Amino acid sequence: AQTVTQSQPEMSVQEAETVTLSCTYDTSENNYYLFWYKQPPSRQMILVIRQEAYKQQNATENRFSVNFQKAAKSFSLKISDSQLGDTAMYFCAFGSGGGADGLTFGKGTHLIIQP
Amino acid sequence: DTEVTQTPKHLVMGMTNKKSLKCEQHMGHRAMYWYKQKAKKPPELMFVYSYEKLSINESVPSRFSPECPNSSLLNLHLHALQPEDSALYLCASSPPRPTSYGYTFGSGTRLTVV
Repeated sequence: AQTVTQSQPEMSVQEAETVTLSCTYDTSENNYYLFWYKQPPSRQMILVIRQEAYKQQNATENRFSVNFQKAAKSFSLKISDSQLGDTAMYFCAFGSGGGADGLTFGKGTHLIIQP
Repeated sequence: DTEVTQTPKHLVMGMTNKKSLKCEQHMGHRAMYWYKQKAKKPPELMFVYSYEKLSINESVPSRFSPECPNSSLLNLHLHALQPEDSALYLCASSPPRPTSYGYTFGSGTRLTVV
């Protein structure tokens, strides 16, 4: 079984600053996918960024980028030029590449962007 | 169509009621999931259906009964629930061998048991 650990329950930064959310995971699988989901107060789960474990290149989506360290089993999310609309719960999630097992989520980080 | 639609959005039910949650997708995904999420907690996997067959049941109490009538539809039948079952219930879908693009979530049903 895999585990996902997010060690920062809450973070607060000023608007326009850069913030990094940490995530570590543990698995014995070699084929898997990692995700960051955002959940605003509406509680809709919104996919922020995804990473295939077999790709060494870090994924980037506009202001969002990841630092994927496979050997260290680390998958951090960097948000550049943070905006008020980035305020939300952020969940790191692990998905097996072998079949439909569902996603395993970390406990989440509540990110607050201050004006 | 790239959406997962859940109905109803809100539901209040008594402990003796029977109700059902519905989830629908038309993306051709052959795996569908139910998650339960309490406030300020991560989603917890309840059930997985793959090709309309129940493949994972995470030791969920029998008062929750899932059903997958066809490849587009997933139901969760509720009976004799307890107040602690109040939560957000999320449905998701994916291809049977999920890729990094595969997991799509609905907006959830907020259930309150009184």
